[in-house]
Amino acid sequence: DIQMTQSPSSLSASVGDRVTITCRASQSISSHLNWYQQKPGKAPKVLIYAASSLQSGVPSRFSGSGSGTDFTLTISSLQPEDFATYYCQQSYSTLWTFGQGTKVEIK
Amino acid sequence: QVQLQQSGPGLVKPSQTLSLTCAISGDSVSSGSAAWNWIRQSPSRGLEWLGRTYFRSKWFNDYAGSVKSRITINPDTSKNQFSLQLNSVTPEDTAVYYCARVDYSSDGYYFDYWGQGSLVTVSS
Repeated sequence: DIQMTQSPSSLSASVGDRVTITCRASQSISSHLNWYQQKPGKAPKVLIYAASSLQSGVPSRFSGSGSGTDFTLTISSLQPEDFATYYCQQSYSTLWTFGQGTKVEIK
Repeated sequence: QVQLQQSGPGLVKPSQTLSLTCAISGDSVSSGSAAWNWIRQSPSRGLEWLGRTYFRSKWFNDYAGSVKSRITINPDTSKNQFSLQLNSVTPEDTAVYYCARVDYSSDGYYFDYWGQGSLVTVSS
């Protein structure tokens, strides 16, 4: 199975901060990388698909980049509603896998 | 608008079978461009994709290696739903279970619609 490793596992940030989360795949996955946001008690919601495509309805402060094995999710200006846990997920292989998550907390 | 509604028991005894159902509205389990997935989430294992069922002239299934010997995902075309069965459960299978759709006609392959989640506890 392809292993997905996110860093950091958690971070503290203030409203208005620029936040960057990284995800590394154990082998090349081309651009088959998705990012999800999850709030407590809710199912994950897709933010970015195919590494850099913004899902309809998602604010433009979210962006994704990368290809191969290294990927980045950036929140350009953190808003109060962005405090949540973020997951990467690869859709390259037949058997899909998630990263372990990055919790974004209020500083 | 696609909606996925999960149902099933919240408590299962060790060594027994966990069974959940996901009822689909707004799409068809027999869609030739969708796949129907089960995913679980626990503090110890995080988000874990378990498997999928999909129809491409015939039915196919893919299962995660971690559960391959114990899992069955079946479509039910008469009720437009699909089910998860996980055999020989242990407390390690305690998790929130989600069903989710992937639409292969879109630009990317990702889980676009999710069920509400079902907490299943394995305990005697």
